[in-house]
Amino acid sequence: ETGVTQTPRHLVMGMTNKKSLKCEQHLGHNAMYWYKQSAKKPLELMFVYSLEERVENNSVPSRFSPECPNSSHLFLHLHTLQPEDSALYLCASSQRLAGSYNEQFFGPGTRLTVL
Amino acid sequence: GQNIDQPTEMTATEGAIVQINCTYQTSGFNGLFWYQQHAGEAPTFLSYNVLDGLEEKGRFSSFLSRSKGYSYLLLKELQMKDSASYLCAVLDSNYQLIWGAGTKLIIKP
Repeated sequence: ETGVTQTPRHLVMGMTNKKSLKCEQHLGHNAMYWYKQSAKKPLELMFVYSLEERVENNSVPSRFSPECPNSSHLFLHLHTLQPEDSALYLCASSQRLAGSYNEQFFGPGTRLTVL
Repeated sequence: GQNIDQPTEMTATEGAIVQINCTYQTSGFNGLFWYQQHAGEAPTFLSYNVLDGLEEKGRFSSFLSRSKGYSYLLLKELQMKDSASYLCAVLDSNYQLIWGAGTKLIIKP
């Protein structure tokens, strides 16, 4: 595996379900990100981790819970979601958290549908 | 507040040239990125500008004017595979990426 991988690619869940999204980066990067992408809207940064510590939480509802067990893996745990949470969830990584030319590498995303 | 503006959708003809504009108002500036995103796929890096001027990379070029808060992505010799969304993003003073909503580019034969 190379780059950034995400599983599952597609997920359909009911509002009472609990599920988790997984992201893995094979680039040796130190920072990882969760984004939400809705149609015709800018990417919304949800969480940022640097060296396994959360450094940013942009007022995301508590029904989204991130976990970063090591610098290569990132999870997003989901519970009691709402239909408006349906979107593409993208994971990204970068070599470091701050500094110029901080290119982010994205995974293919998980297309989430909440019924 | 911070804001990135780019057209929602553009249409161009195969073989032609298209320019996608991006204007920004951010708290500080540490560089501007362009990403390409094909439908159902990950955004992929195209270019990075931090100084004024034109950066050329094959068929794609990106221009920046910091005084005007303006950038454009120029695509030459358009191919059908260039049909995608093009995302503009600015690195602000806190080194946080502020994203535009993207421009969907449709290429017609």
